[in-house]
Order: sequence, then C-alpha cells, then structure tokens
Amino acid sequence: DSGVTQTPKHLITATGQRVTLRCSPRSGDLSVYWYQQSLDQGLQFLIQYYNGEERAKGNILERFSAQQFPDLHSELNLSSLELGDSALYFCASSVTWTSGVGSTDTQYFGPGTRLTVL
Amino acid sequence: GQQLNQSPQSMFIQEGEDVSMNCTSSSIFNTWLWYKQDPGEGPVLLIALYKAGELTSNGRLTAQFGITRKDSFLNISASIPSDVGIYFCAGQLASGSRLTFGEGTQLTVNP
Repeated sequence: DSGVTQTPKHLITATGQRVTLRCSPRSGDLSVYWYQQSLDQGLQFLIQYYNGEERAKGNILERFSAQQFPDLHSELNLSSLELGDSALYFCASSVTWTSGVGSTDTQYFGPGTRLTVL
Repeated sequence: GQQLNQSPQSMFIQEGEDVSMNCTSSSIFNTWLWYKQDPGEGPVLLIALYKAGELTSNGRLTAQFGITRKDSFLNISASIPSDVGIYFCAGQLASGSRLTFGEGTQLTVNP
C-alpha cells in the first residue's frame, strides 16, 4: 500500500459525458501528479500541483482540468469524453527532501482509476 | 510525448534465471528510477538512482545509472514466479519534476 488513494477504482461512462477522478496523497506530501496510461501511449504525465498551485503541465488536453484543494487532495476533471480517453489514470504524490548533496524525491503511485468510455 | 526507449519489450524466462533490461534516452536525466506494475495496480518503486555511475541493489535487483546520464539498466537475479509483471524505467530531470517513462518490459517467469 503506497498510502495514495484514488476513487473510484472503475468508471464506465458514455461519450460526451464529464467525470471527476479523486486522489488523496500520502500524509505530508505536497506534490500531486496525474498520469494517463493507455495501450498506445504508455504512461504519460498530465499535470502537477504543489501545495494547491499548478506547477507543471504535460500532455493534458484542454477538455481536462485539475485542481488541488487546501487539504491537498486533488481532482482530475475530464469532460466531453471521447472513446480515446479510455485509459488508466494514476495519481502520484511526493515530498522533496533537501540535504547537503541536493534535493531528492520519490513519487508514490495510487492504484489508479480505470476509465472506460462507451 | 517523449518516452524512453526500453528493451526488451517482453521476456519469457525460466525460474532461477537472471534477467537484464535497459533504458536509453536521447536526453540527459538526473535521476533514473525503476518501477514494477502488477495487473490492476499502480507502479511500485523498486530502485532510485541519483548519481551518474551509481550502482544500487535492492535484494535480488541491481540497477545502474549510466555514466552519460542517458541510460540505465536493471538486473534481476535468480528470478522467481512473483517477479512476473511489467517493469518500467523512468527518468526525472530534477527533484520534484515529472517522470518520463519507458514503454515497459513484460516479464513472464515459468516455474
């Protein structure tokens, strides 16, 4: 158990619909990352939040958006869903450690949400 | 999007055999990581490498951070059935930044 929780585990919906995926990071982790895993594209970074603020954007479609709340949980909103949006969506969290030799962090992944768009 | 070149794509081995897989990139990474993913689960971190040339072990797993910062390999010794799964390499430019993943190596271990 990584300590990262994601809900729901499975989601089946129709094209054109909107869904919200939820992620709770490990206790104390300020960074939340969202990744999409599809058969043809592999694991792709979507977006990162740090302590409530958007920090980095990857291959995230305009139909997708995310936010991180004051309690540090995050939600990924997917709208106008298309068949090609069917994938596993993972959330990861991390905390950055700084020492004399620099900074390191480790990303811990949640169990994912399997989205099926019919 | 950019991905790392990971090989082999799949491996079928007998229990007890050693396994080697590697990852190469056209660009430099400052951290290399190896994850394992079981069906229906999220990736689980196996080994993290933070310095070029670093060789790190975790039980039967050994990984190295290439001197050029553009490659890494993972060895699994004396494989067992529970080693079955998909192994991913990932590169990270800086602490606190996104991970760029390889395509994965599907490992099958025959008892």
